[in-house]
Amino acid sequence: AQSVTQPDIHITVSEGASLELRCNYSYGATPYLFWYVQSPGQGLQLLLKYFSGDTLVQGIKGFEAEFKRSQSSFNLRKPSVHWSDAAEYFCAVGRDDKIIFGKGTRLHILP
Amino acid sequence: DAGITQSPRYKITETGRQVTLMCHQTWSHSYMFWYRQDLGHGLRLIYYSAAADITDKGEVPDGYVVSRSKTENFPLTLESATRSQTSVYFCASRGPGTARGTEAFFGQGTRLTVV
Repeated sequence: AQSVTQPDIHITVSEGASLELRCNYSYGATPYLFWYVQSPGQGLQLLLKYFSGDTLVQGIKGFEAEFKRSQSSFNLRKPSVHWSDAAEYFCAVGRDDKIIFGKGTRLHILP
Repeated sequence: DAGITQSPRYKITETGRQVTLMCHQTWSHSYMFWYRQDLGHGLRLIYYSAAADITDKGEVPDGYVVSRSKTENFPLTLESATRSQTSVYFCASRGPGTARGTEAFFGQGTRLTVV
């Protein structure tokens, strides 16, 4: 069964606009949640992670994410996107010893 | 240099041939992973290892073999390559830390084409 769902395959926003990428997970215990970014032709870089505590976590490059247990969600947000944010974004959940990824959301930026 | 290194970066092989993708990490991380990335599928876990000599199947293990005789190395072997194994392969590692809570660090990937 799919453990992580990213419902949007592609998202297009204008430069300077706000961004929200959605992520839903299914996991019985308290999850460990991650957001990674992949620029074209590159490996994956961690943006932020949630283990416990404050449900709003700050990451690199101005990104933040909010964990909502009641909605089984961990959405990624940025108040103002830059052209350099164009990339693919992956949500992931730590499950047992493994890290399982969603299918990714490709972000396009309009000038 | 410290980090996680995959080799080769690019590989073309013929159907039916055996090919091994290498992964080496210098952090002495306990856990290592192999993923494949395909359009429309994101990253799917092939195999993972919790320590030397301990390996386990992931989501898509068929057609692949792994071994881990040393902590720092985690080679992935395609015993008889098929066209469906054309993909980008990523190796990753993470420390035990609070086990499930630590993030994975990724290599740069190996683009494998099976013709």
